[in-house]
Amino acid sequence: AQKVTQAQTEISVVEKEDVTLDCVYETRDTTYYLFWYKQPPSGELVFLIRRNSFDEQNEISGRYSWNFQKSTSSFNFTITASQVVDSAVYFCAPPLYSSASKIIFGSGTRLSIRP
Amino acid sequence: GAGVSQSPRYKVAKRGQDVALRCDPISGHVSLFWYQQALGQGPEFLTYFQNEAQLDKSGLPSDRFFAERPEGSVSTLKIQRTQQEDSAVYLCASSSGDRGSNQPQHFGDGTRLSIL
Repeated sequence: AQKVTQAQTEISVVEKEDVTLDCVYETRDTTYYLFWYKQPPSGELVFLIRRNSFDEQNEISGRYSWNFQKSTSSFNFTITASQVVDSAVYFCAPPLYSSASKIIFGSGTRLSIRP
Repeated sequence: GAGVSQSPRYKVAKRGQDVALRCDPISGHVSLFWYQQALGQGPEFLTYFQNEAQLDKSGLPSDRFFAERPEGSVSTLKIQRTQQEDSAVYLCASSSGDRGSNQPQHFGDGTRLSIL
């Protein structure tokens, strides 16, 4: 069975600090995609990024970067020079097509950026 | 707008009443999902539609929950004889791909349901 683990329940940092959110995805699938979503206090889940298991190069988008390592099943998300607007709950999620019929979200990491 | 629209934004009902939650997906999106999100938890899958076909309803917690998408666009999630444990945020998401694709899901703002 597949399993998504976000071990960090809550993280609090001071604005402008860098912060890394961890995600471990266990699956028997040999090829797969993983997604990160952001849920700000307003409640709407916002798609951030999709990566596939063949591509282990870091992906950078502005202050956001992602590091995917298939050997450790980890898909970590780093925010550089954090800002108060980054405060949200962040979810790591598997793809739609995975071997299980349900789309399983991790428990999420609540990130608080203090001014 | 061009995003997923859900209504109402907030719903308060007395225990035992029936409620209906509406989702208007992004135009042309094949897939539509309903999730239930309890406070402090991640979204939990309820049901999945591909066009008008309900292909997976394994996440519906009981037979009091019913969902439909009769014309393959707007969907309604109905909860009959509501109970206090039904209080949660109900999220709707749509995607341009079918379940076999890797397209991301686009979420609405959710409906916050409170059962008194």
